Amino acid sequence: GAVVSQHPSRVICKSGTSVKIECRSLDFQATTMFWYRQFPKQSLMLMATSNEGSKATYEQGVEKDKFLINHASLTLSTLTVTSAHPEDSSFYICSASSIRGGGRSNQPQHFGDGTRLSIL
Amino acid sequence: EDKVVQSPLSLVVHEGDTVTLNCSYEVTNFRSLLWYKQEKKAPTFLFMLTSSGIEKKSGRLSSILDKKELSSILNITATQTGDSAIYLCAVPRSLPGAGSYQLTFGKGTKLSVIP
Repeated sequence: GAVVSQHPSRVICKSGTSVKIECRSLDFQATTMFWYRQFPKQSLMLMATSNEGSKATYEQGVEKDKFLINHASLTLSTLTVTSAHPEDSSFYICSASSIRGGGRSNQPQHFGDGTRLSIL
Repeated sequence: EDKVVQSPLSLVVHEGDTVTLNCSYEVTNFRSLLWYKQEKKAPTFLFMLTSSGIEKKSGRLSSILDKKELSSILNITATQTGDSAIYLCAVPRSLPGAGSYQLTFGKGTKLSVIP
């Protein structure tokens, strides 16, 4: 089964709506989760690093009030795109990094399947 | 700031051809280099390379790291249409405290294999 589950896989909604995306590590504890955004024909751009029990660290140019991240437990992080607009339409991917002794040791991060967000 | 550069950015080949994808990096405290394949969804892990000169192989795919040249190549032999994807190279940077790693990705090479 999947190591990291991301939900939903696809969202289509109206401009102004807030959208929540969940990222769960299924068989290991993830102290750190990462949120990426990928525009068409571009690479993955790191948006923020989410640490369990503390505030997320945002990359330069990413608005923390626009992209709310909550990492309340060792298996769940959520990204909420607040008041989404068409320019927020993108492919959002989460990944989880296992603590020592957990997860697959040959991979530093395990990716979810991504969420394709379309804002009309 | 860590930097990862991939070339070419895109490549079109015919089935059966052999391709070589390139990745060069500039990082502080190099630990490893990773290759991923991305189709319609999130990246799928291919290889993690830590030692120079040791080839990693999986079927028709192989990869090798050259620490002296700060680069890696990914080879695909006898390409098939199913190999069409974006191939991403990434280097991890350790984060303080939790023993986890942040990845810096290259822009990727878009490979198209035509019948």
